[in-house]
Amino acid sequence: ELKVEQNPLFLSMQEGKNYTIYCNYSTTSDRLYWYRQDPGKSLESLFVLLSNGAVKQEGRLMASLDTKARLSTLHITAAVHDLSATYFCAVDSIYNQGGKLIFGQGTELSVKP
Amino acid sequence: NAGVTQTPKFRILKIGQSMTLQCTQDMNHNYMYWYRQDPGMGLKLIYYSVGAGITDKGEVPNGYNVSRSTTEDFPLRLELAAPSQTSVYFCASSESTGWSYSNQPQHFGDGTRLSIL
Repeated sequence: ELKVEQNPLFLSMQEGKNYTIYCNYSTTSDRLYWYRQDPGKSLESLFVLLSNGAVKQEGRLMASLDTKARLSTLHITAAVHDLSATYFCAVDSIYNQGGKLIFGQGTELSVKP
Repeated sequence: NAGVTQTPKFRILKIGQSMTLQCTQDMNHNYMYWYRQDPGMGLKLIYYSVGAGITDKGEVPNGYNVSRSTTEDFPLRLELAAPSQTSVYFCASSESTGWSYSNQPQHFGDGTRLSIL
């Protein structure tokens, strides 16, 4: 059974600081996704990581994938208040059909001045 | 381009009532999904569909039914509402890039907030 675990689940940061969110998954996967959710809102796609060693960056966020370690990271550089949201990773197994995703529990990020 | 549209946005039901949550997408995506999100939790897959006429169960299908008569529409039916079904429901769609898989992100609707009292 594919399981996805994120840590930390809650993260309070000061503006300007750096931090990393970790996403571990339990079985072989070749597709990993990061989403952002603002309170009371829908999910917005941030990154799609499709191969071992993949690295993608958008603004102050950088995501990477290590399929051998079954680990993805979302690194936040010089955090700003606008990054406050809940971040989810989601994994698709190579044994899945239909593009089904298994989501992590989410990391609630709060960036304070 | 509207993307994924869900209706209604909010609904309060009494125990035992039934209702249908509507979902439609205008991106011609083959794959569609229904998730529920409980407070402070990630998303759990209820049902999914890989094309018109084809549906299958996800992680938490009990108490729900779906149909997929067209590419655009994927309604979710609650037959006998129970308090445990109080949740936020999200519909999503994605483009298939292979015969059985997708490496495209799923596009989500705005959600339906459902309370059962």
